Formats: sequence, C-alpha cells, structure tokens
Amino acid sequence: QSALTQPASVSGSPGQSITISCTGTGSDVGGFNFVSWYQQHPGKAPKLMIYDVSNRPSGDSNRFSGSKSGNRASLTISGLQAEDEADYYCSSYTSSSILVFGGGTKLTVL
Amino acid sequence: QVQLQESGPGLVKPSETLSLTCAVSGYSISSGYYWGWIRQPPGKGLEWIGSIYHSGSTYYNPSLKSRLTISVDTSKNQFSLNLSSLTAADTAVYYCARPPLGYSSSWFSPWDYWGQGTLVTVSS
Repeated sequence: QSALTQPASVSGSPGQSITISCTGTGSDVGGFNFVSWYQQHPGKAPKLMIYDVSNRPSGDSNRFSGSKSGNRASLTISGLQAEDEADYYCSSYTSSSILVFGGGTKLTVL
Repeated sequence: QVQLQESGPGLVKPSETLSLTCAVSGYSISSGYYWGWIRQPPGKGLEWIGSIYHSGSTYYNPSLKSRLTISVDTSKNQFSLNLSSLTAADTAVYYCARPPLGYSSSWFSPWDYWGQGTLVTVSS
C-alpha cells in the first residue's frame, strides 16, 4: 500500500494561512471519512490535530481545520504562528484494511 | 490523565526478535478502545504497525503480519509487541498510542494519546 501523497514542504509568514494537501485514491481518502492529521515537532511524539476529516480533539486550537474533496484531504492553519513550525502527517483508513500515512510535510514559518 | 510508556531494548541484533511493552496509567485497558503501535524510522515518516482490543482482537499491517504478534495483559494494564526476524529496516522509534476520549472502538482509530517513543536500533 503506497503512502498518501503530501508536498515535501510548505512555508508561510506569521499571521498568514497555509494549506497542506494529502492526496490518495478512492480506496482510501476518497472512499472514507477517516482522515486524520498529526503535528510532530523534532524529537517529540506526534500530536493529533484533526480526525475524521474535520473534527478537532477537545481543547485544541481552532486555527487548525480539515476538509476533503474527492481523493484529496486538506489541513488549513490560519493565523500562522512560529510554534506551528513542525512536520505534518495525514493518515487514512483504506479498503485494504490498513491504516496508511502520508510521507509528511515540513512547515516552515518564515 | 492517560499516560503511555514504552519499554524495551534499545539495541537488537539482526534476525532476533524485538519485544516491547506499553504500560498504561490513568485508564484501564479493560474499559475499552483499540490500542496501537506505530513506528518511525529515523528521518522518515510514520508507519502503522497494528492495533489490539482488550479482548485480544488484533489487526496487523499486512507488510509485517508474518513477523508480528501483539498481545495484551489486562492484569498489568499493558500491551506488548513482538517482531521477529529483525533487519536494519526495522530500526525506528516505536510508539504506543490510544484514540481520543469517547471515540468509537475501531481498530483504525485516530491516535490522541501517545507514549514518548523508544528508539530501537537493529545492528550487530
């Protein structure tokens, strides 16, 4: 099972909004509403930011939002802050009964 | 507060078997949820290894299934991973994890509570 496709890197300035894409197929992203997004700072465990396409864990920042259109899911971060600089991973359930992750996107806050 | 803590050897020889344990505190494994193992090779992305329910029901990544056993010990409130026939490709940080509070019991849950991770190096 191939990993979901994410851009290797994205960047933005403080206060701006950025979007990270996660492209799959109809057998994973497009076929189910089980897409999650994780933030990972260097040397730390991943942190769940979005689950089931657009749900935020309780207490988490509303600057993070998720959406999906066809086989592409997206994570949008608004009001970019320096602390948002991290790696971001998407994941999805697949029809092959596997949980698959994207290759990761490095977000740089300029 | 739910806490997970991985433990196991940091260095394992090729062809040997890796055994890791995830000790859970602040929540009883018997109360529900699927519990997961995820790994991350140095400098690379995340890979789901497998998930286990308190009843012992398991789901494995097919790419690892022939070498993998995940088990649960509710009396000790912990679950474990055994991965055999190790190669250098198994070198990674291994994490254990649990879904968000209130999430339905599905093996493909998102992972909200994570251990700190333990680095396992496969080398002679």
